[in-house]
Amino acid sequence: GAGVSQSPSNKVTEKGKDVELRCDPISGHTALYWYRQRLGQGLEFLIYFQGNSAPDKSGLPSDRFSAERTGESVSTLTIQRTQQEDSAVYLCASTPRGIQETQYFGPGTRLLVL
Amino acid sequence: GESVGLHLPTLSVQEGDNSIINCAYSNSASDYFIWYKQESGKGPQFIIDIRSNMDKRQGQRVTVLLNKTVKHLSLQIAATQPGDSAVYFCAEKGAAGNKLTFGGGTRVLVKP
Repeated sequence: GAGVSQSPSNKVTEKGKDVELRCDPISGHTALYWYRQRLGQGLEFLIYFQGNSAPDKSGLPSDRFSAERTGESVSTLTIQRTQQEDSAVYLCASTPRGIQETQYFGPGTRLLVL
Repeated sequence: GESVGLHLPTLSVQEGDNSIINCAYSNSASDYFIWYKQESGKGPQFIIDIRSNMDKRQGQRVTVLLNKTVKHLSLQIAATQPGDSAVYFCAEKGAAGNKLTFGGGTRVLVKP
């Protein structure tokens, strides 16, 4: 079946502009995660959504970062007033109902801030 | 999670040999561990997992070993193939919540 999809696959923006990244999880998956991966580094947790519960935003690096999710569907990650240090791959993952730890990742959005 | 900057540890292995990738974790309360494989330009792909009540688990050509005494996790790949060339990440989950903490990754290069 279809996996996690993300769009755009690549985004180049100018410093100071806002960007919006989209994640479509696997249908029926209850939990959704956003991660940031800088070049040559591991994954940094950003935010976690589980059903209608309040999201865990503990990984968001600043108030320029925000994310939304409607129910168990699409999520958007918004970065306002982008900075060059925001350049990274932003990965989304979803987990099946009842299997909270097995995360299925999308291909990521490669963000470059000039 | 750990960060090794732009210089990922690299393991070069001859095709057909066995590979061992190591990971040290920090949280003694972690109860679940996963290994992911990430090929260039793609998202991480689940390989194998292990719970803290186990010390060994085997999959197809892969074995994960967990040593809770020294907080060490390893991934063994048998008969390494060119398609195994990738970056491998370990991840741990604490006893509370569903958040994974990822290690910095190890690059595996398979030489023909």
